[in-house]
Amino acid sequence: QVQLVQSGAEVKKPGASVKVSCKASGYTFTSSGVHWVRQAPGQRLEWMGWINAANGNAKYSQKFEGRFTITRDTPASIAYMELSSLTSEDTAVYFCATGVRYCATWGQGSLVTVSS
Amino acid sequence: EIVMTQSPATLSVSPGERATLSCRASQTVSNNLAWYQQKPGQAPRLLIYGASIRATGIPARFSGSGSGTEFTLTISSLQSEDFAVYYCQQYNNWPPYTFGQGTQLEIK
Repeated sequence: QVQLVQSGAEVKKPGASVKVSCKASGYTFTSSGVHWVRQAPGQRLEWMGWINAANGNAKYSQKFEGRFTITRDTPASIAYMELSSLTSEDTAVYFCATGVRYCATWGQGSLVTVSS
Repeated sequence: EIVMTQSPATLSVSPGERATLSCRASQTVSNNLAWYQQKPGQAPRLLIYGASIRATGIPARFSGSGSGTEFTLTISSLQSEDFAVYYCQQYNNWPPYTFGQGTQLEIK
């Protein structure tokens, strides 16, 4: 079955960067894409960006453009997101999800806490 | 950016009853609309895509309807496991693909 397993929780200081991984299994990684969605405590889901796993082309929400990067390692079937210049407002659970348009299957989430 | 607005914010319904949740888009999204269910401490789960197509393994009591700017998720006979937060998401115009603020479905 399709499964996405994300890396563990991270604690970062303001101004630092964080990189979260998302390992896919149960399907052909390059046949789809990977979305990144975050959820701050008690808040709605927020779509951040998407990568075409076949060719590496990525689309980003303008809100994060410039400090957010999605990459992938196709032989390992892993997608990565990296967010830089962290502030306390970036404290959230970060989810990856498979899909080309809608989010079909989700990872378990990775909590990123930004605190001095 | 397309703004998605869900109503009501909280819906109280008794088990066995029907629940109707609404989602409105600030401009047309055709039928490019998905619904997700999220339980506390869990990742969201895809319920409906294409406004009305149930995802694999989703019970028939969940149904979606609508097109353009007005959409509805109906749960025909609520089970205890259905009490959760429900989000709609448009995937017609990007970036970004935007979510609604969610409807909390609680036991009456």
